[in-house]
Amino acid sequence: DAGVIQSPRHEVTEMGQEVTLRCKPISGHDYLFWYRQTMMRGLELLIYFNNNVPIDDSGMPEDRFSAKMPNASFSTLKIQPSEPRDSAVYFCASSLGERNTEAFFGQGTRLTVV
Amino acid sequence: AQSVTQPDIHITVSEGASLELRCNYSYGATPYLFWYVQSPGQGLQLLLKYFSGDTLVQGIKGFEAEFKRSQSSFNLRKPSVHWSDAAEYFCAVLDTDTGFQKLVFGTGTRLLVSP
Repeated sequence: DAGVIQSPRHEVTEMGQEVTLRCKPISGHDYLFWYRQTMMRGLELLIYFNNNVPIDDSGMPEDRFSAKMPNASFSTLKIQPSEPRDSAVYFCASSLGERNTEAFFGQGTRLTVV
Repeated sequence: AQSVTQPDIHITVSEGASLELRCNYSYGATPYLFWYVQSPGQGLQLLLKYFSGDTLVQGIKGFEAEFKRSQSSFNLRKPSVHWSDAAEYFCAVLDTDTGFQKLVFGTGTRLLVSP
């Protein structure tokens, strides 16, 4: 398996534009996580899914953020409209979901909103 | 809520010297603890984890960590650092209050390796 695949690796967009980040988890993993990494706040869990169903979205900063998982092999994180303070590295991770297994991370998407 | 604290933002170690990165956790019961490493421009990779049993845990790349309940610590160690170990290291705890799936990360420690 190629691991967790995220696209794009880098995204530069203007304030007010819609941004869509994509993630393909490892095949067979039941859980998918979206994290955001910034200098100020470190690594924060935004939302996670179990079997394509959102379980905990308490970390989503505001209504401008939305995430979907239409099937077991694909998830999106959308920001609409984007703002400069959304600039960060966004990571997707997946796991088998049992408490003693690790979360595998993608390489991240570096988002810059100008 | 469960949390971890990494008191050191940066650490510089000479190549070949030993390394210890500190992590303190906040939780009354036995926590589920992890150490991850992040190389520049990369995602996070698991080094090791502790759930129960032997308090000295061996991981990949020659790393180990020791769980000390009396000190609420889970420090990461390596006897001899290589230049390729330069990276950012994150301690994390599984938030068992929310269904065992939520990893809460520390702020990270950036390791610099000098020649």
